[in-house]
Amino acid sequence: DAGVIQSPRHEVTEMGQEVTLRCKPISGHNSLFWYRQTMMRGLELLIYFNNNVPIDDSGMPEDRFSAKMPNASFSTLKIQPSEPRDSAVYFCASSLQRNTEAFFGQGTRLTVV
Amino acid sequence: AQSVTQPDIHITVSEGASLELRCNYSYGATPYLFWYVQSPGQGLQLLLKYFSGDTLVQGIKGFEAEFKRSQSSFNLRKPSVHWSDAAEYFCAVGASAGNMLTFGGGTRLMVKP
Repeated sequence: DAGVIQSPRHEVTEMGQEVTLRCKPISGHNSLFWYRQTMMRGLELLIYFNNNVPIDDSGMPEDRFSAKMPNASFSTLKIQPSEPRDSAVYFCASSLQRNTEAFFGQGTRLTVV
Repeated sequence: AQSVTQPDIHITVSEGASLELRCNYSYGATPYLFWYVQSPGQGLQLLLKYFSGDTLVQGIKGFEAEFKRSQSSFNLRKPSVHWSDAAEYFCAVGASAGNMLTFGGGTRLMVKP
């Protein structure tokens, strides 16, 4: 298996622009997580899907952030409009329910200028 | 609410020396505990996990960790550190398998030749 695949790996955008981050979880996994990593706040859980349904989005910082999981093999995290303080590394992870650990993607490094 | 504390932000050890990274958690019931490692520019890789049973768990790359309920700790150990172990290490706690993880702030390990 190729693992969790995220795209793009790097994104540089101007303030005010819309940004879409993409994630393909490991096949057969039914839990998907979006995390944000910054120097100041460390790793924060943004949202958690189970069987494509958002279970907990309490970590989503503002209404500018939205996430979708239209099917079991794809999820997006959208920021509209983006701001410089959104600059961070965004990780997607997936896990097999009733089982083990979360497997992480390589992350998307977002820079908003 | 669950929380994780990693008291040491940075640790430097000499190659060949032993290592112990500290992790304390707060959770009302029996937790699911994890250690992840992150190399620069990479995602998080699972080192080991504790769900139940034997409180001393073995992981990859020669790492082990011991769950001590009385101390609410899950410290990571390695008897002899290699230069390639230099990375950031994260302890995490989950309410159940396949559920949301709360991460500690991380410990950055540097290895002296």
